[in-house]
This record gives sequence, C-alpha cells and structure tokens, in this order.
Amino acid sequence: DIQMTQSPSSLSASVGDRVTITCRASQDISNYLAWYQQKPGKAPKPLIYAASSLQSGVPSKFSGSGSGTEFTLTISSLQPEDFATYFCHQHNAYPFTFGGGTKVEI
Amino acid sequence: EVQLVESGGGLVQPGGSLRLSCAASGFTFSAYWMTWVRQAPGKGLEWVAYIKGDGSEIHYVDSVKGRFIISRDNAKNSLYLQLNSLRAEDTAVYHCVRAYWGLFDFWGQGALVTVSS
Repeated sequence: DIQMTQSPSSLSASVGDRVTITCRASQDISNYLAWYQQKPGKAPKPLIYAASSLQSGVPSKFSGSGSGTEFTLTISSLQPEDFATYFCHQHNAYPFTFGGGTKVEI
Repeated sequence: EVQLVESGGGLVQPGGSLRLSCAASGFTFSAYWMTWVRQAPGKGLEWVAYIKGDGSEIHYVDSVKGRFIISRDNAKNSLYLQLNSLRAEDTAVYHCVRAYWGLFDFWGQGALVTVSS
C-alpha cells in the first residue's frame, strides 16, 4: 500500500499568514494527488486535483505543487474561514490512501 | 445541484450486519464511479470501496474484503454498502462520494455506524 505522510500534523497560524503543508508518498504517484479541506461536523471539500489544479469554485489563495513523491498545499493568506483540517489523497494505485491530516488552528 | 444522501446507519452488535444506502441526484449517476469513504470518530479518512459506473469493476480496501459489498442500482440512482461481520473498528461515519477521474468531488454528509455490544 502507498503510505501518505503529511506534515505537520497541526500548526498554529494567524490571519494573513502564508501556510504550507507537505505530503510525502511512499512511492511515485505521478500527479495523482488531491487535497481536501474539512471543517468540524462537515464532509470534506475538494480543493486541488492532479496535484496542482484548482477545483472549480475554490479561491486562488489555495495552490498545490509537486509530483512523484513530494507535494505541497499552500494557502497564500490565511483567512478565518480557512481554519480547518486538510488531507492529501493519492489515487494512483489501489488501495487509495489519505494522509493523516493537518489541523490548522488559530 | 449534485446531492448525495446516505441512510441506514445505526447501532449494531459485533458480528452483525447493516446496509447503507445513498440516494444520488443532480447528475447522470451511471456515468460516474462511486465510492465509500469512512471516518472513525476523531480520526482521519479511510477509503473503503469503489465501483465503476456500470458496476463492472469493484475494488476494496483489504480490511473490509470478504465482509463488505458495494453495489449500485443505476435505475434507482442509488449506491449501497452491505456491511457484514462488523467489528468495533468499523465504527465510523460512512460517506457516499462521487469520483471523477480519481478526484472525490462530491461528498454526502455521511451515515454513522456504531458497532458496540
């Protein structure tokens, strides 16, 4: 199975900060990586697909990069509505797997 | 508007069975792969099962193989997950999710399954 390791598992940041979350795959997954945002009590929401493509309706402050085994999600200027948990997800090979999540807190 | 509404969750004893349903609307259901993703209380996301639009291809995570069965009825725009031989570690919110080229692009709110005696 492909292991997805996210770091950090949590971080504290302020409104206006630039935040970067990293996801490492245990083997090459090309660009078959997506990022999701989840708020408490809600279903996850897709942000990024194909490692760097912005999902429709998602603000451009979110960006993704990387390929192979190293990926990053960047929030350019953190806003109050961005405090949430973020997950990466690989769909290169079965079983599909998720990272453990990064909780972004104030 | 795409909508996915799960039903059928509840409390079940270890070793018991449950069937989850997902009613889909707002898109051509038969054209999409569908999947179930679960989340144990306070934990991360775990992909469970995946079914092609015409039902001809199915995949499972190893921990549920032989116990869970994913199926669909395209005439009813419905997705199902039959959960058998349930264990405490199967306790989770189960989300019905639409997949588009591997991206899980629309999620239902989920159905809580609690396995406990």
